[in-house]
Amino acid sequence: DQQVKQNSPSLSVQEGRISILNCDYTNSMFDYFLWYKKYPAEGPTFLISISSIKDKNEDGRFTVFLNKSAKHLSLHIVPSQPGDSAVYFCAASAVGFTDKLIFGTGTRLQVFP
Amino acid sequence: GAGVSQSPRYKVAKRGQDVALRCDPISGHVSLFWYQQALGQGPEFLTYFQNEAQLDKSGLPSDRFFAERPEGSVSTLKIQRTQQEDSAVYLCASSLDTGNSPLHFGNGTRLTVT
Repeated sequence: DQQVKQNSPSLSVQEGRISILNCDYTNSMFDYFLWYKKYPAEGPTFLISISSIKDKNEDGRFTVFLNKSAKHLSLHIVPSQPGDSAVYFCAASAVGFTDKLIFGTGTRLQVFP
Repeated sequence: GAGVSQSPRYKVAKRGQDVALRCDPISGHVSLFWYQQALGQGPEFLTYFQNEAQLDKSGLPSDRFFAERPEGSVSTLKIQRTQQEDSAVYLCASSLDTGNSPLHFGNGTRLTVT
């Protein structure tokens, strides 16, 4: 049973436009959410996080939105750049940002010129 | 180095062989995690250490998998009698364990069992 779902395996966006990556979860005990970015042959790199006491967190070009009632979060990248091309993983935890994380299956983002 | 270091980067094992995967966490990081990532999937939790104590091993798929961190720093994940379904990337991650510090991952060890 997949507790964290990323239903879009891939997304293609033009440089300069907005990229929106979506993530849904089923476990209402999850209170901590993170996005990781992964390049080929490298480990995941932390991007941005949010806890359930907030509905939005922003860091430069990256914004994460959380809708707890819908059990849905999204990552917005504005403007998208070719260097953003990577696989993005959504992850969730019931205990804390450093605790056992449940990952989604990832969305491959391609940003083209 | 400044990051989490894993060795070897690639390991090919014949079915039935034992393997040992090493993880050097970031200096001073208290928490250490092992994850398994199968092709096309997200990382899946295997086990967790706080210093030398293994606090959670609920994700280890069978008793052929064993992890240790005897001095609270370097960790080794051992897989005995490898099977083809063990083929995956094994990721190690560490954190300061301050509650707000995210996990820092290594580049992983890609294990192929033939």
